[in-house]
Amino acid sequence: IAGITQAPTSQILAAGRRMTLRCTQDMRHNAMYWYRQDLGLGLRLIHYSNTAGTTGKGEVPDGYSVSRANTDDFPLTLASAVPSQTSVYFCASSEIISGANEQFFGPGTRLTVL
Amino acid sequence: GQNIDQPTEMTATEGAIVQINCTYQTSGFNGLFWYQQHAGEAPTFLSYNVLDGLEEKGRFSSFLSRSKGYSYLLLKELQMKDSASYLCAVRDSDYKLSFGAGTTVTVRA
Repeated sequence: IAGITQAPTSQILAAGRRMTLRCTQDMRHNAMYWYRQDLGLGLRLIHYSNTAGTTGKGEVPDGYSVSRANTDDFPLTLASAVPSQTSVYFCASSEIISGANEQFFGPGTRLTVL
Repeated sequence: GQNIDQPTEMTATEGAIVQINCTYQTSGFNGLFWYQQHAGEAPTFLSYNVLDGLEEKGRFSSFLSRSKGYSYLLLKELQMKDSASYLCAVRDSDYKLSFGAGTTVTVRA
């Protein structure tokens, strides 16, 4: 199935627990992104990767880490979850050459930290 | 960084036209995007502008003025299925997107 998949779809997590959100794309896009979406704040970039083996910090990186071992996968890890990390998390991918090259979004992971 | 403003909510009648404005202050402008997001779903791409002017795509059009830091999305012949949030996003020179908070459009019969 072409596109981006995310897992899990939703998760309830106790504060202090470690959690990894998974993201896989099969479009061979070189760039991948993680966003969180909160009511009234819109989508905010957490981390990004312009190519396998490199990552960068977005607007709200604290408390999150990422890795990009290959082109297709871009997992997001919460080392010790806190309630303020309750949000909907979207993974996205795109090419990074001139032109539109819009970002394609996965279906999202709804995370609740108690 | 980017500072992107758009109205929070708009309501319109089926068959009507609605214009959603977006203003931005940016460093390293590399294009402006509009996305549509239905409740509980992922954002989907609607339009892209990098040069000044109007881009038309069926019932949807998007306009850009780089000198004014201004864009709008025009939705014509509104249908009930157009009820959604519309997200304005500015791309920087590093190909990262910054999003506005989104405009929720409600279409009434």
